[in-house]
Amino acid sequence: AQSVTQLDSQVPVFEEAPVELRCNYSSSVSVYLFWYVQYPNQGLQLLLKYLSGSTLVKGINGFEAEFNKSQTSFHLRKPSVHISDTAEYFCALKKGAQKLVFGQGTRLTINP
Amino acid sequence: DTAVSQTPKYLVTQMGNDKSIKCEQNLGHDTMYWYKQDSKKFLKIMFSYNNKELIINETVPNRFSPKSPDKAHLNLHINSLELGDSAVYFCASSHPAGDFTGELFFGEGSRLTVL
Repeated sequence: AQSVTQLDSQVPVFEEAPVELRCNYSSSVSVYLFWYVQYPNQGLQLLLKYLSGSTLVKGINGFEAEFNKSQTSFHLRKPSVHISDTAEYFCALKKGAQKLVFGQGTRLTINP
Repeated sequence: DTAVSQTPKYLVTQMGNDKSIKCEQNLGHDTMYWYKQDSKKFLKIMFSYNNKELIINETVPNRFSPKSPDKAHLNLHINSLELGDSAVYFCASSHPAGDFTGELFFGEGSRLTVL
């Protein structure tokens, strides 16, 4: 079955520190992978996506992610976080023609 | 101009009541969805419509009935509300299957609280 697992439910970091949010996937077929961000009291919005090609994908707000097929991972990184990055982050996988399956979410908290 | 808008944003009601949530998108997309986010932030698809036709119907109690009067609108009606229905319901839209690369455009959510 196709699924994604986010390994950390909460990640606290200090402002301007680097951060990595971990995501592992399970799939027997080629995958399309995504990271979405949900700011407080808002809907989700797309941060970045991997469809094919370069395994390092860059997204909005300085985030990037690396697709690693051998480790079945798609970890999200940012070299220096800001207070405004405080949000819930969701890893997702495209399943079938029209469905996204989301991970459990990781709450990123930035401390001053 | 809000791309995907939902109403109401907050809904508090008693068990056993019937309620509706409305969604409209002005992005010109053919496909719309309802997702449910529970108290632990877990997000799960409920329904999807493509140009007014139901294409995804997950295992959802039949107390939940979606309706799409046209491709820009998708409403969700819930009968006989139960405590476990308390959640945030998100509407989303996207390009149709042939052009769908995984980008969903979400509304801001409708928080339903059943007392």
